[in-house]
Amino acid sequence: AQSVTQPDIHITVSEGASLELRCNYSYGATPYLFWYVQSPGQGLQLLLKYFSGDTLVQGIKGFEAEFKRSQSSFNLRKPSVHWSDAAEYFCAVGYSGNTPLVFGKGTRLSVIA
Amino acid sequence: GAGVSQSPSNKVTEKGKDVELRCDPISGHTALYWYRQSLGQGLEFLIYFQGNSAPDKSGLPSDRFSAERTGGSVSTLTIQRTQQEDSAVYLCASSSGKRGGSLFGGVKETQYFGPGTRLLVL
Repeated sequence: AQSVTQPDIHITVSEGASLELRCNYSYGATPYLFWYVQSPGQGLQLLLKYFSGDTLVQGIKGFEAEFKRSQSSFNLRKPSVHWSDAAEYFCAVGYSGNTPLVFGKGTRLSVIA
Repeated sequence: GAGVSQSPSNKVTEKGKDVELRCDPISGHTALYWYRQSLGQGLEFLIYFQGNSAPDKSGLPSDRFSAERTGGSVSTLTIQRTQQEDSAVYLCASSSGKRGGSLFGGVKETQYFGPGTRLLVL
């Protein structure tokens, strides 16, 4: 069965500092991988996705993620965090983009001055 | 429409009552998904439609939950005899149902989410 683990429930970073959010997945085939962000009271917004090809994926808002098959990981990074990045971040895996996704439990990001 | 819309945005109901939640997908999207987001459980898949048929209902937690989709567009999630544990945010998403795009796995293979319906069962 597919599963996604986000080991960090809550992370606090200073504005301007770099960020890395961890995601590990368990999957029997080549996965489709996604990162979504959810601001309080809002739905989920897609940050980036990986299907194949270049393992370093660029997304919106300056985020990037790297797919590492050997480590079953798809970690999200940003070189310099802004206060507006404070939100909940979800990693997800699926057979394709058109089938139900399995989500991790999310990582809440707080940004301090 | 421009995005996925859901109604109502908030619903408060009494235990034992039935509720209907509505989802309007992005125009032209053939695939539609319902997820539930609750404290401690994260985001859980409920049911998935391709057109008007539901090839995967595996996530529905009990027979009190049902969903339908008519005309390949609007979907309604119905919860009968609501219980307090049904309190959650119900999220709907849609995708084109098609593969590929300008890049392999491009915009055609992306699920777009609505703002959700916050359900509180008293």
